[in-house]
Amino acid sequence: EADIYQTPRYLVIGTGKKITLECSQTMGHDKMYWYQQDPGMELHLIHYSYGVNSTEKGDLSSESTVSRIRTEHFPLTLESARPSHTSQYLCASSLAGAAGELFFGEGSRLTVL
Amino acid sequence: GENVEQHPSTLSVQEGDSAVIKCTYSDSASNYFPWYKQELGKRPQLIIDIRSNVGEKKDQRIAVTLNKTAKHFSLHITETQPEDSAVYFCAAREGGGADGLTFGKGTHLIIQP
Repeated sequence: EADIYQTPRYLVIGTGKKITLECSQTMGHDKMYWYQQDPGMELHLIHYSYGVNSTEKGDLSSESTVSRIRTEHFPLTLESARPSHTSQYLCASSLAGAAGELFFGEGSRLTVL
Repeated sequence: GENVEQHPSTLSVQEGDSAVIKCTYSDSASNYFPWYKQELGKRPQLIIDIRSNVGEKKDQRIAVTLNKTAKHFSLHITETQPEDSAVYFCAAREGGGADGLTFGKGTHLIIQP
């Protein structure tokens, strides 16, 4: 079934650790995005990609980095996690071209102690 | 960049009554306005969207209206049911842009039995 998958769903780690949040989609979409959702539920765009080898920073400054080596894969990496990175991270994708529906993954909830 | 304001932040209505959520946007170039519903612990999902060449769109109990001159759009839910309880997000984007949606802060809709 075509969908967008995120792993891990939940992660608790200590300060200073490097982590990678995985995102894969089987929908054949060119555009992919990472949103950070804070406890107040607000959604903030932190990274996006037009396609392979394209990565752009979003509206909210983030210490994370992303890569897009394959169309279906858009991982997010934090080199040295801090408590301020504790949040829910949502990956999304959409078709290229005219404005279209954003499909979200189920999210990765990160807690940094 | 785009800025989207959403009101109210919390809305409590009696089951069977109507609910209205309002949003304003700042970028006159925006021409795509979706609404997402996020149930507790779930991913956001598109429930209805409207493009700037249309003033109103309806899908069963939900409708969206758009006033491009005033730069505001609204979600209307009639005959509310318990399953309508969720957080609702409005969003806006310039047509053709790959740089993600700009979301409002969300409205927590509570349906009282």
